[in-house]
Amino acid sequence: KAGVTQTPRYLIKTRGQQVTLSCSPISGHRSVSWYQQTPGQGLQFLFEYFSETQRNKGNFPGRFSGRQFSNSRSEMNVSTLELGDSALYLCASSLEDPETGGYTFGSGTRLTVV
Amino acid sequence: GNSVTQMEGPVTLSEEAFLTINCTYTATGYPSLFWYVQYPGEGLQLLLKATKADDKGSNKGFEATYRKETTSFHLEKGSVQVSDSAVYFCARGYSSASKIIFGSGTRLSIRP
Repeated sequence: KAGVTQTPRYLIKTRGQQVTLSCSPISGHRSVSWYQQTPGQGLQFLFEYFSETQRNKGNFPGRFSGRQFSNSRSEMNVSTLELGDSALYLCASSLEDPETGGYTFGSGTRLTVV
Repeated sequence: GNSVTQMEGPVTLSEEAFLTINCTYTATGYPSLFWYVQYPGEGLQLLLKATKADDKGSNKGFEATYRKETTSFHLEKGSVQVSDSAVYFCARGYSSASKIIFGSGTRLSIRP
């Protein structure tokens, strides 16, 4: 079966712009989570959606937002980009409860802010 | 607190050497524990997991045992290969928050 698909794979944006990243989870998976990965901070949890509802949110500013659609596909948006937002953004899906079942990750979107 | 601590890298070994990557966690209760692996340019892949005390997770020659007495989940492999070169992440479930907390990662390099 198809894995977790993230698009685009690479993005270059200018400071102040906004960006939308997309994630298609494994078919049947209802939980979608997003992480930011940087060399300095490691993997940091952004948010988790289950059946179109945000169940949990990490400690990121309000510029970071997300949503989930009825087909479980998810998007995350970052507005007013800053240089420090440059990172690998990883989407992960889980059947129901990621804290017990674990995640299946996508390959990520590499965002560079210049 | 709720955290995961794993040994600093990088770790460099010769092919066929024995591997141990240490991991300890703090938690209230008994969370599920995981090891993930990340190859260059890719996302993380679940390597193995254990959901209760004394469980042993295993996959591709890697093993880790859930030790509640020492709150540890050390990753071991008896004979590493060049293809095992990657970054390894220890992680624990966080049941009240529907998420997984990751350690900082350990980079492993295997010399032929």
